[in-house]
Amino acid sequence: AQSVTQLGSHVSVSEGALVLLRCNYSSSVPPYLFWYVQYPNQGLQLLLKYTSAATLVKGINGFEAEFKKSETSFHLTKPSAHMSDAAEYFCAVSDRDFGNEKLTFGTGTRLTIIP
Amino acid sequence: ETGVTQTPRHLVMGMTNKKSLKCEQHLGHNAMYWYKQSAKKPLELMFVYNFKEQTENNSVPSRFSPECPNSSHLFLHLHTLQPEDSALYLCASSLEAREGEQYFGPGTRLTVT
Repeated sequence: AQSVTQLGSHVSVSEGALVLLRCNYSSSVPPYLFWYVQYPNQGLQLLLKYTSAATLVKGINGFEAEFKKSETSFHLTKPSAHMSDAAEYFCAVSDRDFGNEKLTFGTGTRLTIIP
Repeated sequence: ETGVTQTPRHLVMGMTNKKSLKCEQHLGHNAMYWYKQSAKKPLELMFVYNFKEQTENNSVPSRFSPECPNSSHLFLHLHTLQPEDSALYLCASSLEAREGEQYFGPGTRLTVT
């Protein structure tokens, strides 16, 4: 069964500092991986996705994530945090093969930006 | 604007009430989903519809009854709910069923009293 683990339910960084949100996955087949963001009082919005092409994936709002098979990780980074990045971030995994095409979400990481 | 709208945005209902949540997508997608989002728990997939046909019922209690009259509209009918059903209910759509790139509505915040 596939799963994702997000390390740290809350992360605080100063404005202008590096943002690093951690995600580790477990999957029996090569996974598709996603990061979604949820702003207050809104639904989830896709930030970026990995679908077995380039291991470094660039998304919206300056975010990027690197797929590392050896570490089963898909951490999300942004070089310089902005106040508008304050939100909850969800990592998700999808097995697209063998008929098991379920999208499984992590428990989320709430990002706080310190002025 | 995500292209997926949900009404109402907030709903308070008693345990004996019957209410419905509505979702509409304007993206031309063929698949629609209902998720339940509770505090400190992973997003829970409830139902999946592909071309108006239900393809997944993720062991959801019968007090939740989905309806998909066409590929653009999805309803969740609620009756005799429990306080633990209080949560944010999110609707999503995707081009194909089970595709990871899903587009979410803003959700309905449901409180069961």
